[in-house]
Amino acid sequence: DVKVTQSSRYLVKRTGEKVFLECVQDMDHENMFWYRQDPGLGLRLIYFSYDVKMKEKGDIPEGYSVSREKKERFSLILESASTNQTSMYLCASSNPPGQGNEKLFFGSGTQLSVL
Amino acid sequence: EDQVTQSPEALRLQEGESSSLNCSYTVSGLRGLFWYRQDPGKGPEFLFTLYSAGEEKEKERLKATLTKKESFLHITAPKPEDSATYLCAARGGTASKLTFGTGTRLQVTL
Repeated sequence: DVKVTQSSRYLVKRTGEKVFLECVQDMDHENMFWYRQDPGLGLRLIYFSYDVKMKEKGDIPEGYSVSREKKERFSLILESASTNQTSMYLCASSNPPGQGNEKLFFGSGTQLSVL
Repeated sequence: EDQVTQSPEALRLQEGESSSLNCSYTVSGLRGLFWYRQDPGKGPEFLFTLYSAGEEKEKERLKATLTKKESFLHITAPKPEDSATYLCAARGGTASKLTFGTGTRLQVTL
């Protein structure tokens, strides 16, 4: 069964800490994404990547960075966590548009609380 | 700026009571309208993709339709296991970016 695996289901961090959220996919997808999901705001795109070592800013990249050293792994980094980054973080992967079957496959999410 | 608006925010149905969820979109050059289902504490799960006005897709009790301005997710004779949040997303213009709506939270009771 195809999978997108996020390293932590729940995470509690303190303000100012550096936080790493890891995501691994086993479908050989080129595209990978990081979203955050907040009540009433829906899913908002933080960063995405088309290929290894490639990254593009999404709608809300401030306070975040990403790393994609291998095709299957996409990491989200909070350089200095703040309370307004408390949220559900969702990783997703897909094939590129135009190749068909371009639906997003999501991980189960990481609920991050910053205290 | 691309926008996707879903209504209603929440919907409560009795088992067997059919209804429709709405997704209105404003996207430059629509390249796909997507429906996802999300259960509590889980990531969204893909349901359908629609590409052009007039297109319809069905899966069990669900049917998705598309016009030039909106999409509907019709739920026929729902069961309690259909309870979930249903998300709509649109891809427009270039690249892989999707714009998501805020979802409709559906509850189906016995």
